Amino acid sequence: AQSVTQLDSQVPVFEEAPVELRCNYSSSVSVYLFWYVQYPNQGLQLLLKYLSGSTLVKGINGFEAEFNKSQTSFHLRKPSVHISDTAEYFCAVTSPVTSGSRLTFGEGTQLTVNP
Amino acid sequence: GAVVSQHPSRVICKSGTSVKIECRSLDFQATTMFWYRQFPKQSLMLMATSNEGSKATYEQGVEKDKFLINHASLTLSTLTVTSAHPEDSSFYICSAAGGGYTEAFFGQGTRLTVV
Repeated sequence: AQSVTQLDSQVPVFEEAPVELRCNYSSSVSVYLFWYVQYPNQGLQLLLKYLSGSTLVKGINGFEAEFNKSQTSFHLRKPSVHISDTAEYFCAVTSPVTSGSRLTFGEGTQLTVNP
Repeated sequence: GAVVSQHPSRVICKSGTSVKIECRSLDFQATTMFWYRQFPKQSLMLMATSNEGSKATYEQGVEKDKFLINHASLTLSTLTVTSAHPEDSSFYICSAAGGGYTEAFFGQGTRLTVV
């Protein structure tokens, strides 16, 4: 079984500042890792994913994340945020070995970008 | 990425009636579909997993007689909330997996309000 912990429930930042949303996972088998964004009253949109290979993953909207196996982390970063990045962000994990596409989600981090 | 369409986006129904929510994969064959429920300010809670042509697998604590799931084709799964009550009011989201993709794709979600 896998689990995901998002370390910050809320992250307020100013526009054009850098941001990091933290995610730690637990799994006894190999994992696929994902970050999703959710705008109010909408479904989830995939920002980026780590399957294998390079540990630095680049996604849409200028976001990137780094897979750190020793730290069991997959933190999301953006060097300069915009007001439009205000949303809920979810880190998720699945195992290609045991869970297929069944995702385990973290509790979410509300990113609020202030002018 | 692939497209998953969920319909309706919003529905209001009277207590005691049933509501059907549709989830369609528009450009790939979804061998597996997932149904989630999301309470305000919370993460997604997996309700059930359905494989085409098979009975759905429900998570612990989810009433299978209240939340009927049908996955009769590779492009359509439906969730029917039977005899709905106000406590069933929530945001329901589907996701679809398959078609050679490593990740699941999400619908736009359905806001159900039972009055």
